[in-house]
Amino acid sequence: GEKVEQHESTLSVREGDSAVINCTYTDTASSYFPWYKQEAGKSLHFVIDIRSNVDRKQSQRLIVLLDKKAKRFSLHITATQPEDSAIYFCAAPMTNSAGNKLTFGIGTRVLVRP
Amino acid sequence: NAGVIQTPRHKVTGKGQEATLWCEPISGHSAVFWYRQTIVQGLEFLTYFRNQAPIDDSGMPKERFSAQMPNQSHSTLKIQSTQPQDSAVYLCASSFRTGGRSSYEQYFGPGTRLTVL
Repeated sequence: GEKVEQHESTLSVREGDSAVINCTYTDTASSYFPWYKQEAGKSLHFVIDIRSNVDRKQSQRLIVLLDKKAKRFSLHITATQPEDSAIYFCAAPMTNSAGNKLTFGIGTRVLVRP
Repeated sequence: NAGVIQTPRHKVTGKGQEATLWCEPISGHSAVFWYRQTIVQGLEFLTYFRNQAPIDDSGMPKERFSAQMPNQSHSTLKIQSTQPQDSAVYLCASSFRTGGRSSYEQYFGPGTRLTVL
């Protein structure tokens, strides 16, 4: 089944700088890659996703890049603000199985310093 | 829209006791997922229902864990004879189906933090 590896466990950036989180996946059939954010003491909420028919997607200050050849996707948080401090999870659907259950990376804790 | 509702938010049980966790998905959502979150293992898939039918329980520890969805408005996860290693945050998520295709986007509840002493 699909395995998702999230490469940065923690990231500390200065406010206004960019934060980049990288993930790799194993299943070449994967076609959908969402990102979730978990703020302290709260549950996960969806922030952005990318499908395999494109290699770049932007939503406000968030950019997702997809490199299908390398089986890698990344989240770029630009012009970081204190409210960006959270744990970010990458995910991919578990292929070769029924339904849209997700397999998640281990999470990256992002700290935005003033 | 109240979002996905999970109760209780916190539960403490003694070793060997039973724990039942409740989830109310977003109205109109046809799929319900259960995940478990721990520091060591991260987020792990447990089980999944679509239109109340169990679709995939491949992540469920077989012996003591069970899940049901008796109607479209709630699902339960039951853990019998709880063990300390069951301590985790149990997350429920729901997603909708549109145009004959399921949406990948999942909406998560606040979770139930289970502590087994």
